[in-house]
Amino acid sequence: RKEVEQDPGPFNVPEGATVAFNCTYSNSASQSFFWYRQDCRKEPKLLMSVYSSGNEDGRFTAQLNRASQYISLLIRDSKLSDSATYLCVSDSWGKLQFGAGTQVVVTP
Amino acid sequence: ETGVTQTPRHLVMGMTNKKSLKCEQHLGHNAMYWYKQSAKKPLELMFVYNFKEQTENNSVPSRFSPECPNSSHLFLHLHTLQPEDSALYLCASSQADSAGGSYEQYFGPGTRLTVT
Repeated sequence: RKEVEQDPGPFNVPEGATVAFNCTYSNSASQSFFWYRQDCRKEPKLLMSVYSSGNEDGRFTAQLNRASQYISLLIRDSKLSDSATYLCVSDSWGKLQFGAGTQVVVTP
Repeated sequence: ETGVTQTPRHLVMGMTNKKSLKCEQHLGHNAMYWYKQSAKKPLELMFVYNFKEQTENNSVPSRFSPECPNSSHLFLHLHTLQPEDSALYLCASSQADSAGGSYEQYFGPGTRLTVT
């Protein structure tokens, strides 16, 4: 079983709509989590850190459910520039495990 | 952004060549990482250096040899690679504490390597 699993998508989202997707993790000892976004042929860029139950930054909301071992990312009022692959990452004492990513495509 | 830089950005090498990838971080971090990203696969951690000491080597073949001369610089020396080693090689840095925990990692732009 993969340590971090994500729905690869793509999630096709009309501009202005809301999209949400989950990431499940298998290591219950994971202490913190991150969402990165990665554009095609570019490096991952940190979007959000999740240390407790969740985090919100503008249009982006992450929620952590430790009991069910998943993290979600919700994007409100989607912009065309939100089109990217979103990588879920779990951190257990400095050991990061990356998911393969969820592709989001925002359409006009 | 110039927090983490990598050179070269693109590299094509034959199976008998020797080349090196360079990474430099300007963020004052004390941990640096090498990752491999192949198409449609998760990032694979290759090497970790904390406080200039290698703390992790994820069963990487010996044809990849890391070097960390100081906390700001990291190299990946390549020799006798195979075509399946073609991938995007990403360097990252973070702040690590003495207990082994670390904070967010920041990535360089990567070196896209093609082995012919």
